[in-house]
Formats: sequence, structure tokens, C-alpha cells
Amino acid sequence: DQQVKQNSPSLSVQEGRISILNCDYTNSMFDYFLWYKKYPAEGPTFLISISSIKDKNEDGRFTVFLNKSAKHLSLHIVPSQPGDSAVYFCAKGGADGLTFGKGTHLIIQP
Amino acid sequence: EAGVAQSPRYKIIEKRQSVAFWCNPISGHATLYWYQQILGQGPKLLIQFQNNGVVDDSQLPKDRFSAERLKGVDSTLKIQPAKLEDSAVYLCASSLAPGLAGAYEQYFGPGTRLTVT
Repeated sequence: DQQVKQNSPSLSVQEGRISILNCDYTNSMFDYFLWYKKYPAEGPTFLISISSIKDKNEDGRFTVFLNKSAKHLSLHIVPSQPGDSAVYFCAKGGADGLTFGKGTHLIIQP
Repeated sequence: EAGVAQSPRYKIIEKRQSVAFWCNPISGHATLYWYQQILGQGPKLLIQFQNNGVVDDSQLPKDRFSAERLKGVDSTLKIQPAKLEDSAVYLCASSLAPGLAGAYEQYFGPGTRLTVT
């Protein structure tokens, strides 16, 4: 049972435009969601998080939106930069640690 | 501030051999995690320690995998004997103790890429 689903294996966006990464979840029991960014041959790096009591969190170019009724969250990156090209993982967090999605490979094109 | 350290970075072994991975967490982080990441998948939690005690090892294949954190700092993960399906990246992560601000943020090491032939 995949509790966290990232249905787009890859996404290609032009530099300067907005990147929108999506994540769906099936279990409503959670405390927070986190987004991690991963470059090849490196470990995942924490990017931004949102708690279950909020519907939006913003940090610079990164904004995460949480829609609890739809069990959906999204990460917006604006404007997209070449260094944003990486694999992005959505993770659900609670008392039993983190449960990750399969990731979305974001490619920023010049 | 130093990050999570892991060694070795790469390891190639034959099936039925044994292998061990080492992790040194961020100083002051009470909680340590080992994850397995198979190609094309997200990291999957194998075991979670708080200080030197096991919090969750429900997804650890205990017939062949073992882990310890004897002094509540460094940790080792061992596989004995290895199978072909153990080929993956093994990630170590650490975080502050539960209840502290930011405790839910886990910081990952670079991982060890294991290839079993």
C-alpha cells in the first residue's frame, strides 16, 4: 500500500517558469509533509515542510500547498533555475518516521 | 557544522558474502535512521534508533540484516548473507530528539551504493 504517491516520474520546465510538483496521499494520519531534493550520488536534502494544521508554507522561491480535503499537496518553484534540476521526493511524517513517494525528476531547460 | 558521514561510498560484493556500513550522525542528534533506496523508488525506512535504543525495526529483514548503535552515536548496518535484491543505496539520516523544534527534519548522509553480483 503506497501511502504517498508521486504520479509524475519526470517533469520538464523552461528556466524562469514555474515548476509544480504534485503529491497525493491515502492515509489522513500525519503530522507534517516534507519535500526533499536529491542530486545524483548525494543524499536527499531537506527543502521545505508543512504541518497538518496549515494549508500553505513559503520559503523564498519555494511554496508548498496542502489540500486536506483532496489529500493532495504541491510544491511550487518560481522562478525555476538550472540548479533546481534534481529528483524531488515528497514524504509524510508522523510518529513512525517518514514515508517517501517514488520521486519526480525535474528537468529545467534553458 | 559537519553533516552525516557514511562509509564506504561504494561496495561491490558477491551474493552470500557479508557487508557492513558505517554512519556518524550530526553531533547532538539523538535519533538515527537507516533507509534502503532501490533504484526508481523512494527511501524505505529499515530501522530507527533513539540514542542507543531501537524505536522501530518493523521493516528490517532480521534474518539477514542487523544494526546497532552501541554508544548512542555511530551506527553500523550489516547484511549477512547478501542477496541480489539487496543491491541498493543505503542511506543514514539523523534528527533531533522528538519534541524539540525541527525534530521532524531528517538530515541525510551521501549513502552507500551496494552492488551484489
